[in-house]
Amino acid sequence: GIQVEQSPPDLILQEGANSTLRCNFSDSVNNLQWFHQNPWGQLINLFYIPSGTKQNGRLSATTVATERYSLLYISSSQTTDSGVYFCAVDDAWNAGNMLTFGGGTRLMVKP
Amino acid sequence: EPEVTQTPSHQVTQMGQEVILRCVPISNHLYFYWYRQILGQKVEFLVSFYNNEISEKSEIFDDQFSVERPDGSNFTLKIRSTKLEDSAMYFCASEATTDTQYFGPGTRLTVL
Repeated sequence: GIQVEQSPPDLILQEGANSTLRCNFSDSVNNLQWFHQNPWGQLINLFYIPSGTKQNGRLSATTVATERYSLLYISSSQTTDSGVYFCAVDDAWNAGNMLTFGGGTRLMVKP
Repeated sequence: EPEVTQTPSHQVTQMGQEVILRCVPISNHLYFYWYRQILGQKVEFLVSFYNNEISEKSEIFDDQFSVERPDGSNFTLKIRSTKLEDSAMYFCASEATTDTQYFGPGTRLTVL
């Protein structure tokens, strides 16, 4: 099956700093989503981005499908950005729509 | 904004007992999913459901698991005889067409 690798696994930032999280995937995808898992365990949708660039406030994401990677940018980080960020993809060769998740990037933003 | 809801938020059960986890997907969605996340690990796909039948399932989804859409709104996951290793957060998700999957808040299952 498709492999999804995220880097870095852990990231510590000072409030106000910027960061870039990376997601590499091993095959063509129909769907790519970024999620934020908050301290209560909830998975919050950030972006649906199988290709191209999107922005939502301080967050933006870019997926280069031909090179099989996606980037999540967090600018002017806040303590509420802390949590785990997951990338998840739907394999284009898979008949169904199941998402395969990466291992996540654990972000801690210090005040 | 419509959202996926799940009940209960936390379920504690004894090994060998049956549990039913409940989900109410977003009302006009057609595709339904269950995923699970063992503490500290990545989220794993269990099963997808479309047009009143299972469309795909993972190796985890063995004979102990079943899903049902008993009416027009609910979507349930049943574990017939729980094991210690079934302890995890279980997420329900729904999707209108083949794009964004929306996740519920999860049910934390603890098997003692």
